[in-house]
Amino acid sequence: EDQVTQSPEALRLQEGESSSLNCSYTVSGLRGLFWYRQDPGKGPEFLFTLYSAGEEKEKERLKATLTKKESFLHITAPKPEDSATYLCAVRTDNFNKFYFGSGTKLNVKP
Amino acid sequence: ETGVTQTPRHLVMGMTNKKSLKCEQHLGHNAMYWYKQSAKKPLELMFVYSLEERVENNSVPSRFSPECPNSSHLFLHLHTLQPEDSALYLCASSQDQGYEQYFGPGTRLTVT
Repeated sequence: EDQVTQSPEALRLQEGESSSLNCSYTVSGLRGLFWYRQDPGKGPEFLFTLYSAGEEKEKERLKATLTKKESFLHITAPKPEDSATYLCAVRTDNFNKFYFGSGTKLNVKP
Repeated sequence: ETGVTQTPRHLVMGMTNKKSLKCEQHLGHNAMYWYKQSAKKPLELMFVYSLEERVENNSVPSRFSPECPNSSHLFLHLHTLQPEDSALYLCASSQDQGYEQYFGPGTRLTVT
């Protein structure tokens, strides 16, 4: 059964304290892994797409990496404005199947 | 208007009402999606349209009825909903199926 699991469910960091969020997946065939950021009361905002193991993407303080079983979203020296829920999603061999994880709620304290 | 817009932003309806949610994308995309987001649960994909043709219906109850009159507009018609249908309904679009999706702000639906 296709499955996407994110951990931890919630993460509290001090400003400047780097950490990583995990997205592990079990799918029949990965066609793409996507990271999104969602602020309260808003729709998810696209961050990155990763297609193959070993691929990395960076944007400001965020860096996403991908292996054959999981993806990490590394946050370097986070700021309070990075506080949000981070979602990952995968697209499988079945072109129309798109699965989201439950998200990691990140809180960065000043 | 830019990106993906949704109206209304908030909706309260009784179980016997009929209402519609509207989504419009200004990105020139060919695919549009409806998602349901409930508290403590992952986003659930409800419907997928590609080039105005429905390509996926993920076992959604018939009380939800989508309509895609053109590649820029998507509707979700609601009738005789249940309280458990209360959730945030999100619309998204993408260049083509399988590409990254861009989301609207959502409609917060409460069924009383």
